[in-house]
Amino acid sequence: ILNVEQSPQSLHVQEGDSTNFTCSFPSSNFYALHWYRWETAKSPEALFVMTLNGDEKKKGRISATLNTKEGYSYLYIKGSQPEDSATYLCAFQGAQKLVFGQGTRLTINP
Amino acid sequence: DGGITQSPKYLFRKEGQNVTLSCEQNLNHDAMYWYRQDPGQGLRLIYYSQIVNDFQKGDIAEGYSVSREKKESFPLTVTSAQKNPTAFYLCASTPGTGGIHEQYFGPGTRLTVT
Repeated sequence: ILNVEQSPQSLHVQEGDSTNFTCSFPSSNFYALHWYRWETAKSPEALFVMTLNGDEKKKGRISATLNTKEGYSYLYIKGSQPEDSATYLCAFQGAQKLVFGQGTRLTINP
Repeated sequence: DGGITQSPKYLFRKEGQNVTLSCEQNLNHDAMYWYRQDPGQGLRLIYYSQIVNDFQKGDIAEGYSVSREKKESFPLTVTSAQKNPTAFYLCASTPGTGGIHEQYFGPGTRLTVT
C-alpha cells in the first residue's frame, strides 16, 4: 500500500507571513506529483503537476519544489492572504491512479 | 461553462437502502473517477472508468457499484453491503486515459446513512 504523508495536518498563519508544508511519497515508480487547493464549499482545483526531479513551479505567490530521489515536495506560500485559507492536497501518481495525502488545512488569521 | 456536476449536495438514507450518487461532466473527458473522503484521511479511490462501458475497481470498491453507459455520466451506487457508507464522495475526470493529467473535481455529495 502506497503511503503519502502530508505535514503538518493543520496550520494557522498570520496574514502577511510566509509558510510552507511538506508532502512525502514513495521514491520508486514515480510518474508525477500533484498539488490541489480545496477551499471550503468548493471543488478541489489543481495547482501544480510536477514530473521532473528538481522541478520548481510557481503560480503567483504559491510555489512548489520536487525531489523525487528522496520522495518529498514542498509547497510555499509567500505573504499569506485570507483567500489562501484552504486544504492543500498532494497526490502521488505511480501509474494511472493517484494516491492522495490527508491534506494540510491552512488558516490565515487576519 | 464546462465542469462536473454532482447531485444532490446532501443525501440522507436509512441503513439497508441502496442509494445512487450522480456525476455528470461536459468536459468531453474520457476518464472518470469516484473518491471517498473520511475525516483525517486522504481521498481514496473507489472506482474509475477510462472508456464507456468499462470500469475498474479502485482501492475500496467493496459495497459499491458503478456504470458508464455514456461518456458524460458515471453514477455511483452505494449498496447496503457497504459497512460504513457515511462519507463525502467526490467525482473527478481527466482528459486522457493514460499519461499525466490534472484531475477536475465536482463539488461532492455528503451522504449520511442512519
